[in-house]
Amino acid sequence: AQSVTQLGSHVSVSEGALVLLRCNYSSSVPPYLFWYVQYPNQGLQLLLKYTSAATLVKGINDFEAEFKKSETSFHLTKPSAHMSDAAEYFCAVSLFLYNNNDMRFGAGTRLTVKP
Amino acid sequence: DAGVTQSPTHLIKTRGQHVTLRCSPISGHKSVSWYQQVLGQGPQFIFQYYEKEERGRGNFPDRFSARQFPNYSSELNVNALLLGDSALYLCASSLAGLAKNIQYFGAGTRLSVL
Repeated sequence: AQSVTQLGSHVSVSEGALVLLRCNYSSSVPPYLFWYVQYPNQGLQLLLKYTSAATLVKGINDFEAEFKKSETSFHLTKPSAHMSDAAEYFCAVSLFLYNNNDMRFGAGTRLTVKP
Repeated sequence: DAGVTQSPTHLIKTRGQHVTLRCSPISGHKSVSWYQQVLGQGPQFIFQYYEKEERGRGNFPDRFSARQFPNYSSELNVNALLLGDSALYLCASSLAGLAKNIQYFGAGTRLSVL
């Protein structure tokens, strides 16, 4: 079984401040991990993915995430928040199986950026 | 290049009715997955199709069914609609349906059941 827990349903930061969105996973097999962003009335857009290569993964718009097996975590960070980063963020885990896109998503974290 | 397109964008139905949602994947993508996103929650996996065959099914009742056509487009059908089926239904396509493949999502169909 696999699942994802996102700590904090709402996170608020000031513009220019560090963004930290937390994600912990549980998986019985080596996972593939993803972060997606969803803007209002839109579908999900991939920010970055971990597929067992480098543990520090860089994504679009200066986002990055670090895979820590010992902590079963995959937290998302960005050094300096922009107003345009305000959105819903989802962490997701996918089984390490051939021909299976059964991704499990966390409940999401809504990021608010204050001017 | 066109992304994943879904139709219709919005739909209002009443309890007991049937609904069909449609999805066109990115050109060259052979796998389509369907997700249900209830307000305030993350997407939940419903189905995955690859090369017109069902390759994965989530924990949804038999009222939910889907199929994939030779051009790789897909339909999601829901029978005997319940109020709880109100949600945003997302379609995602990927190259080959592998766990490591990136899934590209459409903007979704928002279904309201009254």
